[in-house]
Amino acid sequence: DVVLTQSPLSLPVTLGQPASISCKSSQSLVYNDGNNYLSWFQQRPGQSPRRLFYKVSTRDSGVPDRFSSSGSVTDFTLKISRVEAEDVGIYYCMQHSHWPHTFGQGTTLEI
Amino acid sequence: EVQLVESGGDLVQPGGSLRLSCVASGLNINTYYMSWIRQAPGKGLEWVAHIRPDGYTTYYVDAAKGRFYISRDDAANSVYLQLNSLRTEDTAIYYCSTGTVHWGQGILVTVSS
Repeated sequence: DVVLTQSPLSLPVTLGQPASISCKSSQSLVYNDGNNYLSWFQQRPGQSPRRLFYKVSTRDSGVPDRFSSSGSVTDFTLKISRVEAEDVGIYYCMQHSHWPHTFGQGTTLEI
Repeated sequence: EVQLVESGGDLVQPGGSLRLSCVASGLNINTYYMSWIRQAPGKGLEWVAHIRPDGYTTYYVDAAKGRFYISRDDAANSVYLQLNSLRTEDTAIYYCSTGTVHWGQGILVTVSS
């Protein structure tokens, strides 16, 4: 199975400051069609996960542009340019280039 | 507004069975991969199973193979997960999702004696 390793696992941040989460894959996520099927999810306390990005950098509707995502092959990064209070929660990367689809362990962002 | 509503969760003894249901509104599921993803208490996310729009092609995580069965009824705009031979480690919130775009609120399955 593909193992996704996120770092850090805990991310204390200051409001208005940037934040960055790394996701490293144990295998290449380049699919037969050339795409990297890597997504990012946000799970606020007590809520269901919400997808933020798919195919690495395609932003889902309603996701603020202070969020950005980049990377390819095995190294991926989610960035928040200026953290706001509503960004508190757990962030997961997920791959669906290979079966079984797998998630990273999650990174807890706290103010 | 798109809504996915799961039901069927319960407290069940080890070895027991449950059938989870997920009904969608605000969209037709017939073109979507439908998935079940679970989250054990205080833990991360684990993909359990999904089913393609053809209704025949299914995928299961190893822990679910031979015990869980995913199915869909597009006429009812619904997807199902049959859980058999349940184990204590299957205790989790089970989420229904349209290929991760839309998520339900989750339903709790507790396996305990």
